[in-house]
Amino acid sequence: EPEVTQTPSHQVTQMGQEVILRCVPISNHLYFYWYRQILGQKVEFLVSFYNNEISEKSEIFDDQFSVERPDGSNFTLKIRSTKLEDSAMYFCTSSPSAGKTQYFGPGTRLLVL
Amino acid sequence: QKEVEQDPGPLSVPEGAIVSLNCTYSNSAFQYFMWYRQYSRKGPELLMYTYSSGNKEDGRFTAQVDKSSKYISLFIRDSQPSDSATYLCAMSPGHTDKLIFGTGTRLQVFP
Repeated sequence: EPEVTQTPSHQVTQMGQEVILRCVPISNHLYFYWYRQILGQKVEFLVSFYNNEISEKSEIFDDQFSVERPDGSNFTLKIRSTKLEDSAMYFCTSSPSAGKTQYFGPGTRLLVL
Repeated sequence: QKEVEQDPGPLSVPEGAIVSLNCTYSNSAFQYFMWYRQYSRKGPELLMYTYSSGNKEDGRFTAQVDKSSKYISLFIRDSQPSDSATYLCAMSPGHTDKLIFGTGTRLQVFP
């Protein structure tokens, strides 16, 4: 069964460093999303992406964040200058249509020291 | 008032019990309702997806949506130890794909 994959599974970085989180969505899906989950808190929406542009973003998704689909398979989330409060689990999801059946990847656990 | 409220639990039940998990919400614009299961340190796994009010059944799982009461439920029949996980409700209005999640209910099914 096709699934969303994410790399790396864990990332430790120093405050102020740039990180890139990578996702490979399900191959025939057209809509892509990033969510995050701070430890012990709820899953929060960050950004949605369709047709090579951002379709919606949350207040969390400020100028330090960016997304890109550099080729036909990868979908990346970049944090330019990480802060301690960026420590969280980051999930990529994809969907075949402008619909609600979003399939989650296993997540990348980011720890900012 | 929070947009989506969910009792965090933990809810502990014996194997074979019927489990009822619930969420309430405040935004009457929500049209799509989902239940995800999340095992520890894993990504959420989609269990049920429902549009608007009504019931949906899939094996041992039944999802109910009552839009008039702004209340959704997930029932698990004949619960198994492998059902032990955190169950997340999620919902979205029709004009956006953004999912709004509850905090999750931790379920423990003991043999």
